[in-house]
Amino acid sequence: QLQLQESGPGLVKPSETLSLTCTVSGGSISSSSYYWGWIRQPPGKGLEWIGSIYYSGSTYYNPSLKSRVTISVDTSKNQFSLKLSSVTAADTAVYYCASLLYYYDSSGLPAGYFDYWGQGTLVTVSS
Amino acid sequence: QTVVTQEPSFSVSPGGTVTLTCGLSSGSVSTSYYPSWYQQTPGQAPRTLIYSTNTRSSGVPDRFSGSILGNKAALTITGAQADDESDYYCVLYMGSGSVVFGGGTKLTVL
Repeated sequence: QLQLQESGPGLVKPSETLSLTCTVSGGSISSSSYYWGWIRQPPGKGLEWIGSIYYSGSTYYNPSLKSRVTISVDTSKNQFSLKLSSVTAADTAVYYCASLLYYYDSSGLPAGYFDYWGQGTLVTVSS
Repeated sequence: QTVVTQEPSFSVSPGGTVTLTCGLSSGSVSTSYYPSWYQQTPGQAPRTLIYSTNTRSSGVPDRFSGSILGNKAALTITGAQADDESDYYCVLYMGSGSVVFGGGTKLTVL
């Protein structure tokens, strides 16, 4: 069973870059069965997908955040990371990392869903 | 940009049945989007309930079921219990590592 744990600063100043790392245990981040994703949730609001990465380094970003987001993977440490630049108060949120299980359905078509989640970490943007 | 729609809120009586839906602002939700459903209680990480439209995740009670109803994905809770009071999110798979979340439905059991 996979376990994911977010880490990083809980407070970031406006206009600076938010940086978080997700450490994966109980399995290899180099598994071909997974994408690795970041999701956030502003206080009192819904979940928002930020982006995902494959162990090969292929990335997929939410179009609304794409210009500010970079997701990277470090297979040697079994970790993947999020950088969000030029943050404002609107980026204050609980940030979750999650594993997106990638599989093929009975017709041989690709599919995916989030099967494991980290506990989440609150990042506040404030001076 | 793809917008996934869910009812903002819903209420159900204990023991009752409720169906939450997940639609698209433009177009229909089909099994080709492999809709999945997640339950979230305050202060907790989401929990996976349903994937690939109607497959229950490990340990999920069979009172939770998924389907396609008309042009939407649906999550039905049969025999609602007090601890089903949560937020429910649907997610549509868009290919490769891309997904879209719905806005979530706050379910009240009273």
